[in-house]
Amino acid sequence: AQSVTQPDIHITVSEGASLELRCNYSYGATPYLFWYVQSPGQGLQLLLKYFSGDTLVQGIKGFEAEFKRSQSSFNLRKPSVHWSDAAEYFCAVGPTGGFKTIFGAGTRLFVKA
Amino acid sequence: DVKVTQSSRYLVKRTGEKVFLECVQDMDHENMFWYRQDPGLGLRLIYFSYDVKMKEKGDIPEGYSVSREKKERFSLILESASTNQTSMYLCASSPAQPLAGGVDEQFFGPGTRLTVL
Repeated sequence: AQSVTQPDIHITVSEGASLELRCNYSYGATPYLFWYVQSPGQGLQLLLKYFSGDTLVQGIKGFEAEFKRSQSSFNLRKPSVHWSDAAEYFCAVGPTGGFKTIFGAGTRLFVKA
Repeated sequence: DVKVTQSSRYLVKRTGEKVFLECVQDMDHENMFWYRQDPGLGLRLIYFSYDVKMKEKGDIPEGYSVSREKKERFSLILESASTNQTSMYLCASSPAQPLAGGVDEQFFGPGTRLTVL
């Protein structure tokens, strides 16, 4: 069955430190992969997406993600975290069953001063 | 600037009431989605629509129905609200992307937090 796993429910990092959020997927074909961010009280916003080509994808707000087919992973990274990055992050994979996308359970990021 | 709007940010209803959640997008997108979001469970798809008057069940359609009479509007209906439907409801839209099996970036509304008493 197709699935997305975000192993970390929450992560705390210091401001200025680097960040890596993990995402593993189970998918039978070439996946299309997404990372979204949800700030408190808001809907989700796309950070980046991978459809094909270069496996290192650049996104908004200084984020990047690397698609590793051999590890079935699509981890999100940022070299230096800002306090405004505190939010919940969702990894997603599609298509599944037509036009659908499966979302992971999310990782909540806390940033300490 | 693309936009998805939802009719209410907060809603409180009584058990057994019929509840309508409205969603409007101004991007001429073919696909529209309704999700519910609960802590630790991520986003779960309730229904989606890939065209006017077309709808498909998602992963948790029980207790819900939808309507899409116009391309820009997608309504979620709780026929008889129950306390276990207390949740955050998110609407999203996306263009149809033939090169990616129909999926693409989804644009989300701000959500409606529904409480059923």
